[in-house]
Amino acid sequence: GAVVSQHPSRVICKSGTSVKIECRSLDFQATTMFWYRQFPKQSLMLMATSNEGSKATYEQGVEKDKFLINHASLTLSTLTVTSAHPEDSSFYICSARRPVNTEAFFGQGTRLTVV
Amino acid sequence: GENVEQHPSTLSVQEGDSAVIKCTYSDSASNYFPWYKQELGKGPQLIIDIRSNVGEKKDQRIAVTLNKTAKHFSLHITETQPEDSAVYFCAARTPNAGGTSYGKLTFGQGTILTVHP
Repeated sequence: GAVVSQHPSRVICKSGTSVKIECRSLDFQATTMFWYRQFPKQSLMLMATSNEGSKATYEQGVEKDKFLINHASLTLSTLTVTSAHPEDSSFYICSARRPVNTEAFFGQGTRLTVV
Repeated sequence: GENVEQHPSTLSVQEGDSAVIKCTYSDSASNYFPWYKQELGKGPQLIIDIRSNVGEKKDQRIAVTLNKTAKHFSLHITETQPEDSAVYFCAARTPNAGGTSYGKLTFGQGTILTVHP
């Protein structure tokens, strides 16, 4: 299957700082990427849909000013958690989809811990 | 919006037994149903999927069935092995407003499968 690479896999940051997570599709062009958040022992919750060259679409209840998404190219989307707080600690996962295929491929996830 | 219910939340089987996980969905417009396996600390991995124009699909020890009328679909794993132990998620995709297949996925709550040697 296709490869989606997410970086970093783990990050610890101080409260009040910002953290950037990258999601790359390595062997295909992804016009659409998705960002999810997953709390321990829970399901994946969609945060936003990222479309190349346009503004991301955020799910209800997700603060767009706190979770900045940029999809500047067909192979890269970034999620920046601004002014992070301990309650932002979670597992963040991206996925990417080929333009003409309904399959979604997931990255390895990023474990964010805010101290 | 779409709502996906998944059962059971935990499933424990002996090696060699079969495992069945069931999901129901609410939106009759959903037309794509993938299953993912997630190991601890990793992202979900697609293991099998089925589209709404098919009733059953099989890939070696894994099979998925879909009943569109009842709006439920199931994952069947035969001859389970300890390495099958993981969290399994079902999902349903509803087309976007334009009617294409490029809508978002709604996930079930997950099933923790434990296969005992």
